[in-house]
Amino acid sequence: NAGVMQNPRHLVRRRGQEARLRCSPMKGHSHVYWYRQLPEEGLKFMVYLQKENIIDESGMPKERFSAEFPKEGPSILRIQQVVRGDSAAYFCASSPQGLRGMNTEAFFGQGTRLTVV
Amino acid sequence: KQEVTQIPAALSVPEGENLVLNCSFTDSAIYNLQWFRQDPGKGLTSLLLIQSSQREQTSGRLNASLDKSSGRSTLYIAASQPGDSATYLCAPRGSQGNLIFGKGTKLSVKP
Repeated sequence: NAGVMQNPRHLVRRRGQEARLRCSPMKGHSHVYWYRQLPEEGLKFMVYLQKENIIDESGMPKERFSAEFPKEGPSILRIQQVVRGDSAAYFCASSPQGLRGMNTEAFFGQGTRLTVV
Repeated sequence: KQEVTQIPAALSVPEGENLVLNCSFTDSAIYNLQWFRQDPGKGLTSLLLIQSSQREQTSGRLNASLDKSSGRSTLYIAASQPGDSATYLCAPRGSQGNLIFGKGTKLSVKP
């Protein structure tokens, strides 16, 4: 059973371009969470999704950022018109389906390190 | 809004020492709490999950305790080793479902 897979591991974008970060949860997991970690900072919650639904996006910037978790395929975190301040490590985590997902471990991917030049 | 504080921010100890890392959180309405370690430039590795109904959870040289009513958790590391050097993060899971992280304790174990 593969762990949480994130790709790419490293992404370089010029200011104004779009960044698309992918997260494939562990098999059987239908809860996905995205976090951002700025240099020398803690992990900040961005968004919590279940299949085809956004449950909590209270940590997501209102503009340029969006997330989805379609019925088929990975979860995508999309950043439009990137700026230097978006440079960070973006981590995805997953946990099992249903309410039991609340009572079980969340497992993290290795992250995508976004650099905006 | 849940806020998580970890003390100390950094800790340096000689190999073989036992040590305690502290975590406090403001909202005691949690489902569970996880402790993670993060190595530089890497992702997070789950160490222990402690449910809100539990007082303690053990895995090898690690022991986590939880006092939910006072909003505190501790991670005890016995007989520390240089390989334990990493940043340790605590994260309670609240009613919203997501994990909220502290800034971590950066541990350095000297040979």
